[in-house]
Amino acid sequence: NAGVTQTPKFQVLKTGQSMTLQCAQDMNHNSMYWYRQDPGMGLRLIYYSASEGTTDKGEVPNGYNVSRLNKREFSLRLESAAPSQTSVYFCASSQGGAGQGDTQYFGPGTRLTVL
Amino acid sequence: GNSVTQMEGPVTLSEEAFLTINCTYTATGYPSLFWYVQYPGEGLQLLLKATKADDKGSNKGFEATYRKETTSFHLEKGSVQVSDSAVYFCALNGGGSNYKLTFGKGTLLTVNP
Repeated sequence: NAGVTQTPKFQVLKTGQSMTLQCAQDMNHNSMYWYRQDPGMGLRLIYYSASEGTTDKGEVPNGYNVSRLNKREFSLRLESAAPSQTSVYFCASSQGGAGQGDTQYFGPGTRLTVL
Repeated sequence: GNSVTQMEGPVTLSEEAFLTINCTYTATGYPSLFWYVQYPGEGLQLLLKATKADDKGSNKGFEATYRKETTSFHLEKGSVQVSDSAVYFCALNGGGSNYKLTFGKGTLLTVNP
């Protein structure tokens, strides 16, 4: 039982390049999330998927797209990377439908640097 | 909208000292409250949670009580260890069909032997 896995762990891009961050969970969770973590800012929600087949914008969606490929997988795409997207990205999942006490489980993160 | 304010760090303590990390929140309705911990180089892990007023969450010697009258969820531990060194995040879930967590900015705790 691996929980939430993310690939890659580290990535360096040049401005304007594109890439996709992959996330998978093996807990049969319905809901999945993408966050970014910046120094002094805590975690901010980029996009989330409450259930398979749905996605919604979070607090900071500009410059990103997501795909909920199936129940297990939720990818985050940067179409044209910018230095402002240098951050640590975390994927999370939760059972969903459990109301406000729903616990989110986090992956180990992807550290992205955009030059 | 929802917001979480937690004491800014860094916090440096000696082993066996008492720990308090303050957290206050703003939310409509009746949110659930969480403390997450992030050890160096890792993702976040749930430390404890409380889903209604006056509930006390506890885990690994840490405790926090949901105080609706003061909109607070302060984290405490009676005797910290070096292994407790980490970043601690307070968070809330606004309830209803809202699955989203709102996080505080995090507090870095360093415990020295």
